[in-house]
Amino acid sequence: AQSVTQLDSHVSVSEGTPVLLRCNYSSSYSPSLFWYVQHPNKGLQLLLKYTSAATLVKGINGFEAEFKKSETSFHLTKPSAHMSDAAEYFCVVSDPSGGYNKLIFGAGTRLAVHP
Amino acid sequence: GAGVSQSPSNKVTEKGKDVELRCDPISGHTALYWYRQSLGQGLEFLIYFQGNSAPDKSGLPSDRFSAERTGGSVSTLTIQRTQQEDSAVYLCASSPREGWSTDTQYFGPGTRLTVL
Repeated sequence: AQSVTQLDSHVSVSEGTPVLLRCNYSSSYSPSLFWYVQHPNKGLQLLLKYTSAATLVKGINGFEAEFKKSETSFHLTKPSAHMSDAAEYFCVVSDPSGGYNKLIFGAGTRLAVHP
Repeated sequence: GAGVSQSPSNKVTEKGKDVELRCDPISGHTALYWYRQSLGQGLEFLIYFQGNSAPDKSGLPSDRFSAERTGGSVSTLTIQRTQQEDSAVYLCASSPREGWSTDTQYFGPGTRLTVL
């Protein structure tokens, strides 16, 4: 079965400092992994996705994530946090067992950015 | 271009009433998904529509929940005899292709359902 574990429910950083949001996955298949962001009262927006090409994936707004098979991890990073990055972030794995792309979401990490 | 739209944005109803939630996917997208986001359960899959085939309803939590997709476009999620545990944000997503692919799923803003 496919699952994801987000290791931190809340992360707090100062503006201009690095961001690290941790995610571990479990998958019976060669996984497709995603990070989505949800700003307050807004819909989910795709930040980036890994689909078995390059292991270092670059996304929007300066975010990137590295797929590490040996560690079953897909951590999200950003070199310098901005106030507008404050939001909830979801690590997601795709479950293809039904012949389609069912998304399995982690519990989410709420990122707070302080001045 | 226009994204996925959902209506209403907010719905407050009394326990035992029926509700209908609507989703308009991105034009031309053939795959449509419903998810639910609740405090206790996080984000969970409900149902998947694939063209004109029968949908995968494996995520629906009870037989009070049903959904249809007319003409391969608009979808309606119906909850009968609502219960307080149905209170959640219901999200719709669409993607360009059916079947197994890594196409991005584009999410609508959601309908926030509150059952009193």
